[in-house]
Amino acid sequence: AQTVTQSQPEMSVQEAETVTLSCTYDTSESNYYLFWYKQPPSRQMILVIRQEAYKQQNATENRFSVNFQKAAKSFSLKISDSQLGDTAMYFCAFMRGSGNTPLVFGKGTRLSVIA
Amino acid sequence: DADVTQTPRNRITKTGKRIMLECSQTKGHDRMYWYRQDPGLGLQLIYYSFDVKDINKGEISDGYSVSRQAQAKFSLSLESAIPNQTALYFCATSADYTDTQYFGPGTRLTVL
Repeated sequence: AQTVTQSQPEMSVQEAETVTLSCTYDTSESNYYLFWYKQPPSRQMILVIRQEAYKQQNATENRFSVNFQKAAKSFSLKISDSQLGDTAMYFCAFMRGSGNTPLVFGKGTRLSVIA
Repeated sequence: DADVTQTPRNRITKTGKRIMLECSQTKGHDRMYWYRQDPGLGLQLIYYSFDVKDINKGEISDGYSVSRQAQAKFSLSLESAIPNQTALYFCATSADYTDTQYFGPGTRLTVL
């Protein structure tokens, strides 16, 4: 079974600084997808970024980028120029690339951006 | 995502009551999911459906049942609610097994 581990329950960062959230996963699959979701106080689950395991290039979405290390089974999220609106829970998630399997989530990291 | 709606948004009920949470989507997706979120535990899968005739149990299905009334509708029922089912419940949809899952706004359920 796949597992996803987020080792940082809480983090804080100063506004305009850069922060990196860690995620590791365990799988024997070679084809899979990884995601970061954001859950602000409104509780809505919002997709931040997605990475296909077969792609070597790290995904980027504006101020959000990932460092995908397939051999190390690591998938960290970097937030640049942090903004107050980035304050949220961040969840890392894994999905197999074959067969009918849903998402497996980590337990989340609570990020606070401080003015 | 406004394309995935959940009703009610908040609900307080008593132990032993039957309750239904509803999910509707206008994205045209075949796949729908129900998750439960407890503080500190992330999201756990309750049930999922890959089409109207295909329903599967997730990791925490005990005490829950589902109904896929149409491609666009997927309901979650608690036949006899108990206090440890107090949680935030999310519905999600996806187009296929490679697709991103899109979440509804969540239903906060409190069982007294």
